[in-house]
Amino acid sequence: AQTVTQSQPEMSVQEAETVTLSCTYDTSESDYYLFWYKQPPSRQMILVIRQEAYKQQNATENRFSVNFQKAAKSFSLKISDSQLGDAAMYFCAYMLNSGYALNFGKGTSLLVTP
Amino acid sequence: ETGVTQSPTHLIKTRGQQVTLRCSSQSGHNTVSWYQQALGQGPQFIFQYYREEENGRGNFPPRFSGLQFPNYSSELNVNALELDDSALYLCASSLAQTSGGHEQYFGPGTRLTVT
Repeated sequence: AQTVTQSQPEMSVQEAETVTLSCTYDTSESDYYLFWYKQPPSRQMILVIRQEAYKQQNATENRFSVNFQKAAKSFSLKISDSQLGDAAMYFCAYMLNSGYALNFGKGTSLLVTP
Repeated sequence: ETGVTQSPTHLIKTRGQQVTLRCSSQSGHNTVSWYQQALGQGPQFIFQYYREEENGRGNFPPRFSGLQFPNYSSELNVNALELDDSALYLCASSLAQTSGGHEQYFGPGTRLTVT
């Protein structure tokens, strides 16, 4: 079974600063996808960024980027120039390329202060 | 493009009752997945429907069942409700292709409270 671990229950960042959220996962597979989802108080889960395991290049989406270390099974999310609207729960998730289910971590609550 | 919608937003049921939750997938998507998110936890996969058949199932008992309709909308049915079934139920739609890893787009969820 694949497990996803987010070791930071809560993180805080000042507006305009940079913050990194950590995620590790455990799998014996080599072909999979990793995702970061954001869940604001409105509850709707929003896809932030995705990474294919076969790609060495780290994915980037505007102010969001990942540091994917396949050998270490680590997948951290960096948010640059943090904005108040970034405040939310952030979930790391894993899916096998041949699979259909997202396996989520327990989430990290991000607080953004003015 | 119409996003994923779910109904109702919130409902309260009594232990032992049955409940049906509904989901309309995003336009162009043919696969629907259901997740249960307990308070303070990440979502847990319940099952997925593709072409009106269950395509995969997580570690949930048979009293959790579902349907997918020809228009790709879906229902989640839970029988004999238990207090632990209180959670946010999330529906996600995606476009199934030969390879996996395709993004799942989530609805706003249904908050179920069992008393």
